[in-house]
Amino acid sequence: DGGITQSPKYLFRKEGQNVTLSCEQNLNHDAMYWYRQDPGQGLRLIYYSQIVNDFQKGDIAEGYSVSREKKESFPLTVTSAQKNPTAFYLCASRISLGVASPLHFGNGTRLTVT
Amino acid sequence: DQQVKQNSPSLSVQEGRISILNCDYTNSMFDYFLWYKKYPAEGPTFLISISSIKDKNEDGRFTVFLNKSAKHLSLHIVPSQPGDSAVYFCAASVTGTASKLTFGTGTRLQVTL
Repeated sequence: DGGITQSPKYLFRKEGQNVTLSCEQNLNHDAMYWYRQDPGQGLRLIYYSQIVNDFQKGDIAEGYSVSREKKESFPLTVTSAQKNPTAFYLCASRISLGVASPLHFGNGTRLTVT
Repeated sequence: DQQVKQNSPSLSVQEGRISILNCDYTNSMFDYFLWYKKYPAEGPTFLISISSIKDKNEDGRFTVFLNKSAKHLSLHIVPSQPGDSAVYFCAASVTGTASKLTFGTGTRLQVTL
């Protein structure tokens, strides 16, 4: 059964620590995305990747980093430079660039930094 | 700059009636529009989409209408059911680019008995 797996579902960290959120997909999708959701706000794009070993900054990339070493995996690191890291993080994928198709989302990771 | 706007943060509708959720956009380059449904602590689930070459798309109880001249789209749910209670996001993209989706802020729909 194909899908996107995000782990863990809940994550707690102390301020000043880097933390990496996992995202794996077995849909054979080329493009992968990271979004962030805050209360009362829409989903905001952090980073996206259209192909292995390539990725671009989204609208709110500061304080985050990503890698795309494998087609199936797109981990997101929240660094200590991110001023407001507490949020709900969503990973998504879609078939490929240039095709009008929906994003498929994982079930998210809620990160709490204290 | 909010390119996709959902001006109603919440909507309450009786079971069996029609729910109408609205969305406005400002970027005339958008040519692909989607609606997602989201439950708390879960990822959004794709509901229905529409390309700018159409003005209507139906899928069961869900119909999306697109008015390009007004830069407005709406989602109609008929009949509304209690299980439809969720937050609904509209999203838009420009096909052929990275096709990143730009999301609205969401409308919380409550379907009452």
